[in-house]
Amino acid sequence: EVQVLESGGGLVQPGGSLRLSCAASGFTFFSHAMTWVRQAPGKGLDWVSSTSGTGGTTYYADSVKGRFTISRDNSKNSLYLQMNSLRVEDTAMYYCARGHGSLTTAELDYWGRGTLVTVSS
Amino acid sequence: QSVLTQPPSVSEAPRQRVTISCSGASSNIGNNPVNWYQQLPGKAPQLLIYDDALLPSGVSDRFSGSKSGTSASLAISGLQSEDEADYYCAAWDDRLNGWVFGGGTKLTVL
Repeated sequence: EVQVLESGGGLVQPGGSLRLSCAASGFTFFSHAMTWVRQAPGKGLDWVSSTSGTGGTTYYADSVKGRFTISRDNSKNSLYLQMNSLRVEDTAMYYCARGHGSLTTAELDYWGRGTLVTVSS
Repeated sequence: QSVLTQPPSVSEAPRQRVTISCSGASSNIGNNPVNWYQQLPGKAPQLLIYDDALLPSGVSDRFSGSKSGTSASLAISGLQSEDEADYYCAAWDDRLNGWVFGGGTKLTVL
C-alpha cells in the first residue's frame, strides 16, 4: 500500500526555521517525483516545491524561492523541506504528494495527511 | 489570486448533474494535462481525474473530465450527499515551472 507520512510541523516564530520530513513506503521511491503543497487555514491549495525522482531537478514557487530547500534521500525513502526565514504567511498545512512518474510534471496521485506549520510570535 | 480560475461554489440537488469549470492559459491548461482533486471536509486532497479525463482506479464513473483549449471541466452526475467537498483543478505551468491550482470550488448537494 502506497503511503506518505509527513512530520516536523509545529509552532515557530517569524524568522525561524523548521525542517519537514515525508516518509514514503509501498512504492519504489526513486522512480517518483515528489512535491510539497500547502494550504493556509480556510484557503486553497498552493504549490510549494517539486523534485524529480533522482533529485537532480528541483522547482520552487516564487513565494518560497531562496528561503525553502527541497531535498530527498532515496536510500531512506524520505523527502524533506528545509524552511528558513519563515513568515506569518507561511502558516499552513503542508502536504507531501507523490508524482505518478519520475518527472515533476506527473500528476500527484497520493497525498499524505499533512503537517501543520504555524508561524507566530 | 489563483492562476487557474474556478467558480467559488456550485450547488445542485441530489441525483442531478453539475459541472465545474476551470479556466487557464496556453502555458498551463493549453499545453499540459489537467488534473482534478477532491478534498472532503477535514481531509487531504485526493486525485479524482488525471490527464484531462482519466479516472484513477476506485473513482466512481459518475465523475468525468473534459478539456478544450485553455479551459477544462469536471462533471459529476447522480449527485450524492457524500460528493459534498472542495474540488480543485491543477496543471503544470511551463512558464512558471511549477504546479498551478484553481482557487477551489465548494460543492453543496442541496
